Amino acid sequence: GQQLNQSPQSMFIQEGEDVSMNCTSSSIFNTWLWYKQDPGEGPVLLIALYKAGELTSNGRLTAQFGITRKDSFLNISASIPSDVGIYFCAGLADSGGSNYKLTFGKGTLLTVNP
Amino acid sequence: DSGVTQTPKHLITATGQRVTLRCSPRSGDLSVYWYQQSLDQGLQFLIQYYNGEERAKGNILERFSAQQFPDLHSELNLSSLELGDSALYFCASSDTGGSPLHFGNGTRLTVT
Repeated sequence: GQQLNQSPQSMFIQEGEDVSMNCTSSSIFNTWLWYKQDPGEGPVLLIALYKAGELTSNGRLTAQFGITRKDSFLNISASIPSDVGIYFCAGLADSGGSNYKLTFGKGTLLTVNP
Repeated sequence: DSGVTQTPKHLITATGQRVTLRCSPRSGDLSVYWYQQSLDQGLQFLIQYYNGEERAKGNILERFSAQQFPDLHSELNLSSLELGDSALYFCASSDTGGSPLHFGNGTRLTVT
């Protein structure tokens, strides 16, 4: 089945630093999604990307849908302590007949030292 | 608040037992998805329903079943529970199959 390789697995950074994480796949996706999960809560949608090459920002977050449709990255600028959490990429592919399969990466655990 | 409601928040039960997890999707969303999250496996897709009908199946065990009711809420039934079934179970909803999923806060199941 489809697999997403998300890297890095974890990051330890100082407050104020910029962060970059990415996902790659062996197959093409129609949509790339980035989620953040805080402890004890469900994943929250950060950014959705619908077109190859699309670059979208949400505050200090910027994500891009790769031209090949097989990769995406997420950047966080000027990190703050509340950015701590697990970031997941997810790819959405049309399985045919209006069925869409969402595949998640294994997540990037971000720790921000104040 | 995602608008997706899951109950209960926590569940502790013994091996061999059966439990039911409940999910109310966001208002207007027809699709409901169930995911299992464990420490070593990440988010694993279990099953999807769309407007009451099963639409897609993932890595769902035969001991597990789900349904979506006419009012669009969904239930995930887990039976003959094993220690390895301990995990977070998330429900997510979307308005159509191709739109982003919005997740509830999960049910943490502990099997002792």
